[in-house]
Amino acid sequence: QKEVEQNSGPLSVPEGAIASLNCTYSDRGSQSFFWYRQYSGKSPELIMFIYSNGDKEDGRFTAQLNKASQYVSLLIRDSQPSDSATYLCAVFWYSGGGADGLTFGKGTHLIIQP
Amino acid sequence: DADVTQTPRNRITKTGKRIMLECSQTKGHDRMYWYRQDPGLGLRLIYYSFDVKDINKGEISDGYSVSRQAQAKFSLSLESAIPNQTALYFCATRHSPNTEAFFGQGTRLTVV
Repeated sequence: QKEVEQNSGPLSVPEGAIASLNCTYSDRGSQSFFWYRQYSGKSPELIMFIYSNGDKEDGRFTAQLNKASQYVSLLIRDSQPSDSATYLCAVFWYSGGGADGLTFGKGTHLIIQP
Repeated sequence: DADVTQTPRNRITKTGKRIMLECSQTKGHDRMYWYRQDPGLGLRLIYYSFDVKDINKGEISDGYSVSRQAQAKFSLSLESAIPNQTALYFCATRHSPNTEAFFGQGTRLTVV
């Protein structure tokens, strides 16, 4: 069973500060990683994906991947109240029979305090 | 119009009733998935399909069945609904390995 772990929070961050969200995964062979944002009652929407070790930046968002430590993180700079949401970490899986998909963590609830 | 459309968006049904949730997509993706989401439990995979002849169970398939009527349509059925199937259900599609999932708007199902 492939596991994806996230701290459920809530994580409270002042407006304008950096929010740091973390995710660990159990399958050392995992190749690609996705961060989704989900507002209450809405569907998840992709923020970023990362395949290679290191950092990947997109606007205020930076994804960090360390495959040796089986760790993925998402940094949100200059946090805004509109960033308040649940953030889901997802890890790609592939089975020997040709099937593949994404396993999701339970999500971290982020609150940006004005 | 949404690329991945779920119907109905909300449904209240009684225990023991049969109910079908439908998903259609215009993205041309072969991979389709049904997830349920419960507070504190995250998204859990119910069933997935890679083409009309391919149906696979996910981690929580008991009490559910699916039908892939066409590449664009993937339906989830609850043969005899029970209250602990009350949840938010999402359909998702993917193009190919290592790619992101695109989600429908969700169906909020309540079984009373």
